[in-house]
Amino acid sequence: EAGVTQFPSHSVIEKGQTVTLRCDPISGHDNLYWYRRVMGKEIKFLLHFVKESKQDESGMPNNRFLAERTGGTYSTLKVQPAELEDSGVYFCASSQDFRRGRNTGELFFGEGSRLTVL
Amino acid sequence: SQQGEEDPQALSIQEGENATMNCSYKTSINNLQWYRQNSGRGLVHLILIRSNEREKHSGRLRVTLDTSKKSSSLLITASRAADTASYFCATDAWIQGAQKLVFGQGTRLTINP
Repeated sequence: EAGVTQFPSHSVIEKGQTVTLRCDPISGHDNLYWYRRVMGKEIKFLLHFVKESKQDESGMPNNRFLAERTGGTYSTLKVQPAELEDSGVYFCASSQDFRRGRNTGELFFGEGSRLTVL
Repeated sequence: SQQGEEDPQALSIQEGENATMNCSYKTSINNLQWYRQNSGRGLVHLILIRSNEREKHSGRLRVTLDTSKKSSSLLITASRAADTASYFCATDAWIQGAQKLVFGQGTRLTINP
């Protein structure tokens, strides 16, 4: 069974440009999460989808970040326009949970998308 | 302030020795999980301990949880070079009205051959 896959693995862009990161969760997993790790700091929660609905987007830094999960399958995270402080590794994770909106188990992570903004 | 904070931030030991990492948190939790990240790779789930459990084992891993002190420890026995990685604790808790998994900064573990 395929794990969580993320694309691209590394993206280098200039300040002001747009980048779209993609995450394909494990098939059948309703929960999809985006996390970010900046410069060796803690891994910070960005948002949580349950199927196609945003369950919690309290961690999104600002309105330059837009996450979508149309159809409840893969998800995209767009940064527009990118700023220097957006550099970091963006992790996607998924989990299967039988209680809507609740995560009480382990998350399965992708290998991350490293974003470098110059 | 962070929900989960690992201690130490970095640890370097000789192969064969035991490695102990600690994690402290602030709020009540449903469970606490430990993850490992090898350089440039994704996070891999190691072990989950529920709030009503005090100790859990998995192979060479031993996790303890003290909810009265809001702390957990991860012990890796008989360390190997392949254990070199960053280790993160993550607390499953209700934060600002939503349930989420909150990670700390991690402990960078280096096993010297």
